[in-house]
Amino acid sequence: QKEVEQDPGPLSVPEGAIVSLNCTYSNSAFQYFMWYRQYSRKGPELLMYTYSSGNKEDGRFTAQVDKSSKYISLFIRDSQPSDSATYLCAMRSTRGGNKLTFGTGTQLKVEL
Amino acid sequence: GAGVSQSPRYKVAKRGQDVALRCDPISGHVSLFWYQQALGQGPEFLTYFQNEAQLDKSGLPSDRFFAERPEGSVSTLKIQRTQQEDSAVYLCASSSPGTVTSYEQYFGPGTRLTVT
Repeated sequence: QKEVEQDPGPLSVPEGAIVSLNCTYSNSAFQYFMWYRQYSRKGPELLMYTYSSGNKEDGRFTAQVDKSSKYISLFIRDSQPSDSATYLCAMRSTRGGNKLTFGTGTQLKVEL
Repeated sequence: GAGVSQSPRYKVAKRGQDVALRCDPISGHVSLFWYQQALGQGPEFLTYFQNEAQLDKSGLPSDRFFAERPEGSVSTLKIQRTQQEDSAVYLCASSSPGTVTSYEQYFGPGTRLTVT
């Protein structure tokens, strides 16, 4: 079983919809939680970062972390066609250096 | 440009050939990471440098994989005797520990390696 599980999709939604993406994890040492967006043939770019539990909002994006359930979410409001990409959750523990452990990625398509 | 650059962007190798992949991190970034991303998968950690010191190489899949960063800047990932299962995108990332945004790893565009 992988340390981080993420539904690969694909997920297709109409423009303007609220998108919910999520990951579960098994390693209780993970303390730092990130969401990356990856366009086709590009490197991942950081969207959101959260330390420990709680919510964080940035424009149309909201990240939630529930450490008791080992569950993290990313919500995208008023989705746009330009949001079409693969969304990767990533985690880092306080032990084991600075390496990131990624989920599989969820492919999102926002249709006009 | 100011971002992480990688070269070549695409590499086709015959099985058994050696390849060398280059990463130019963001200037001043002391931490450098290599990840391997297979098709339809998330990136998987290979190795990590802080300056010229290779602090973690636990993700290298075999002794055919070797990475170096001799002057603490540019890094090279070398794969000897390539196998078909080495086909993947190899991503390089850099970060600057000790700053407010030290958690953020900035990724390059990757090198897509195809072994035939």
